[in-house]
Amino acid sequence: QQQVKQSPQSLIVQKGGISIINCAYENTAFDYFPWYQQFPGKGPALLIAIRPDVSEKKEGRFTISFNKSAKQFSLHIMDSQPGDSATYFCAAREAGTGNQFYFGTGTSLTVIP
Amino acid sequence: NAGVTQTPKFQVLKTGQSMTLQCAQDMNHEYMSWYRQDPGMGLRLIHYSVGAGITDQGEVPNGYNVSRSTTEDFPLRLLSAAPSQTSVYFCASSYFGETQYFGPGTRLLVL
Repeated sequence: QQQVKQSPQSLIVQKGGISIINCAYENTAFDYFPWYQQFPGKGPALLIAIRPDVSEKKEGRFTISFNKSAKQFSLHIMDSQPGDSATYFCAAREAGTGNQFYFGTGTSLTVIP
Repeated sequence: NAGVTQTPKFQVLKTGQSMTLQCAQDMNHEYMSWYRQDPGMGLRLIHYSVGAGITDQGEVPNGYNVSRSTTEDFPLRLLSAAPSQTSVYFCASSYFGETQYFGPGTRLLVL
């Protein structure tokens, strides 16, 4: 059973457009929500993260929107660039475990020049 | 700093063989984890550790053992390899369970 549901599976966006990836969860014990970016043949790298007491966090062109009541969070990539083409994973950490993370299934983003 | 290193990069095993995947970090992180990545499944936590001498099971621990005798090293042992363990394995470390730094991965093929 997938604890964090991610959509879409793949996404194609024109250069300069906005990429939006969505995640949903049920476990109210999750207390930290990171997004990771992974290029082919590499390990994932932290992109941006948010805690549930904040509704939005922005870092450069990347923004996380968080809706605690709906148990949903999303990644927005503004002014998408070909270099953003990668696989993106959302994740959630279970409070009290220290290190137990659950990942979404990933979204393959392609930005067309 | 080398960050998180993993060896080997690629391994082929026959069913029933055992092996150890090595993971080391030089950032003095207390928290370390092992994940497997399979197409369409994302990353799934196998085992994790919150400090030397302390380990716990993740989502998919069956068929794998871990130990943590030092802060730096967190090896993953496959006791008797099965084709279902064909995957890409990632080790990660973090300071206090937040920003995880991932290694480059080990691709394992079990025939």
